[in-house]
Amino acid sequence: DAKTTQPTSMDCAEGRAANLPCNHSTISGNEYVYWYRQIHSQGPQYIIHGLKNNETNEMASLIITEDRKSSTLILPHATLRDTAVYYCISNLGGGADGLTFGKGTHLIIQP
Amino acid sequence: AAGVIQSPRHLIKEKRETATLKCYPIPRHDTVYWYQQGPGQDPQFLISFYEKMQSDKGSIPDRFSAQQFSDYHSELNMSSLELGDSALYFCASSLGAGFSNQPQHFGDGTRLSIL
Repeated sequence: DAKTTQPTSMDCAEGRAANLPCNHSTISGNEYVYWYRQIHSQGPQYIIHGLKNNETNEMASLIITEDRKSSTLILPHATLRDTAVYYCISNLGGGADGLTFGKGTHLIIQP
Repeated sequence: AAGVIQSPRHLIKEKRETATLKCYPIPRHDTVYWYQQGPGQDPQFLISFYEKMQSDKGSIPDRFSAQQFSDYHSELNMSSLELGDSALYFCASSLGAGFSNQPQHFGDGTRLSIL
């Protein structure tokens, strides 16, 4: 799995869009970018993933740069319940490969 | 929707004892994964199984073993427990190798405390 780097922490005001960046400059052509979050000691929660096209689901949007060296997770209207550690992970997808969790970004939503 | 079920939720053991953690995957999921998360640490992958065969191996100690059964549930067996084994243990499941880019879905974990 390619190494990813994320800011250690970020703040965002409630109701605003939260934009979480991730660098994955060594990602290979067949590796996906996955985003998970972990709310204090709960199991990691899957958010979204993509290969090269931008993706959107009911939770978030994922913007991947054309060169695939970085991506941004967007939570369009952050709420206090979005306070969590967000992990950006590159993975081949499919198969049964384990995920390599890095340090993640601690996102704090301010009231 | 049904989620990954882990049992027990909490477990207290003493050093040198053994422990067994259980994981019941989401229905139709044929792949299970085990992760360990120590205090203040990020989750670390231990091992995975697809169709009852070990598939990928991470940093699982030799004292630990796991298996997947015919109903796809999995058990993590831990022996000669040490204080450093105190951690949250998460199980995840997914549709496996026959399906591309399927995400893993995690259970709520088992909190293991070693006294």
